[in-house]
Amino acid sequence: AIQMTQSPSSLSASVGDRVTITCRASEGIRNDLCWYQQKPGKAPKLLVYAASSLPSGVPSRFSGSGFGIDFTLTISSLQPEDFATYYCLQDYNYPYTFGQGTKLEIK
Amino acid sequence: QVQLVQSGAEVKKPGASVKVSCKASGYIFTSHLIHWVRQAPGQSLEWMGWINADNGNTKYSQSFQGRVTITRDTSASTAYMELSSLRSEDTAVYFCSRDLVGVHVSWGQGTLVTVSS
Repeated sequence: AIQMTQSPSSLSASVGDRVTITCRASEGIRNDLCWYQQKPGKAPKLLVYAASSLPSGVPSRFSGSGFGIDFTLTISSLQPEDFATYYCLQDYNYPYTFGQGTKLEIK
Repeated sequence: QVQLVQSGAEVKKPGASVKVSCKASGYIFTSHLIHWVRQAPGQSLEWMGWINADNGNTKYSQSFQGRVTITRDTSASTAYMELSSLRSEDTAVYFCSRDLVGVHVSWGQGTLVTVSS
């Protein structure tokens, strides 16, 4: 199975900061990568699919980039509602696999 | 609006089976895949498999070694996930999702399954 390694595993930041989370695949996955946000006790919410596409309703401060092995999720200006845990997911081949998560906390 | 409503929490003994349901509304049920994903306490997410709600075709993660079965009832717009030979490590919240990537993703609220003797 493809391993997805996220970094950092946790991150402290302030409202208004620019934040970047990275995800590295153990082998090339083209752009078959998405990013999810999850808040405690809630289902995940899709933020980015196909590495850089945003579903309708996702704020433009979120952006994704990358191809092949290395991917990033950037939040341009943190808002209070962005403090959550973020996961990457590869849907290049089976089994689909998630990263271990990045917990974004308020500094 | 699109809704996926899952069945309630379950407590099972080791070795038993559990069947979780996921009732869809607000869209044409047979037009999308339904995925199942689980999350053990404090852990990341784990993909279990999907069902094509139209033709019933399935794809499973080999991690479950034949213990998982996903079915659907098109007349009830409901998908089901059954996990057998339960062990303590299967204690988790189980989620269904319409699709998993793309513009049509929606999730159920999650179902807590506790495996305890």
